[in-house]
Amino acid sequence: NAGVTQTPKFQVLKTGQSMTLQCAQDMNHEYMSWYRQDPGMGLRLIHYSVGAGITDQGEVPNGYNVSRSTTEDFPLRLLSAAPSQTSVYFCASSTVSGGSSKTQYFGPGTRLLVL
Amino acid sequence: TQLLEQSPQFLSIQEGENLTVYCNSSSVFSSLQWYRQEPGEGPVLLVTVVTGGEVKKLKRLTFQFGDARKDSSLHITAAQPGDTGLYLCAGRNSGYALNFGKGTSLLVTP
Repeated sequence: NAGVTQTPKFQVLKTGQSMTLQCAQDMNHEYMSWYRQDPGMGLRLIHYSVGAGITDQGEVPNGYNVSRSTTEDFPLRLLSAAPSQTSVYFCASSTVSGGSSKTQYFGPGTRLLVL
Repeated sequence: TQLLEQSPQFLSIQEGENLTVYCNSSSVFSSLQWYRQEPGEGPVLLVTVVTGGEVKKLKRLTFQFGDARKDSSLHITAAQPGDTGLYLCAGRNSGYALNFGKGTSLLVTP
């Protein structure tokens, strides 16, 4: 199993450009989520999904769109990048069963710089 | 969002020393998890505690969940350079989402 994979690893964008961060998992997990990590801010939830066709907003959703057409993939779209979106983005997945002891498996991250 | 406060924010110690990291909240959590993150990588789960007063040991790491399930601590005995990393606590209540603390950055020097 590859676990959770993310592409690209690094990206530089200019303000106003759009891009999609890719996330895929091969563990047949129903739950997938996107976090951003900024210095001194910890991990903040952007969007999450509990299955194909179902998405919801997290703590910091503005400026980001998501969709979930398959169990495996959960792409994150930046429609018009802003310097405030410079961050490290992590995708994570888990089962929805297992109660409160569910383990979230994280990808290696995408480092995004918006100029 | 239920806030989790971690302390200290930074910790620099020498190999062989003991340390404790704290994770506190005013909210009750159904479970609390500790993750470790190394530079350039995603967080990796260390432990989950679910019962108030629960203590779990993972080699030299001891995790405790407060009786009221609002706080937790991580104690490392005889720290080693391989323990260096960012330690994150995360609480879950009734939903799927995890609320993360801001993390404690630990540096253990030989």
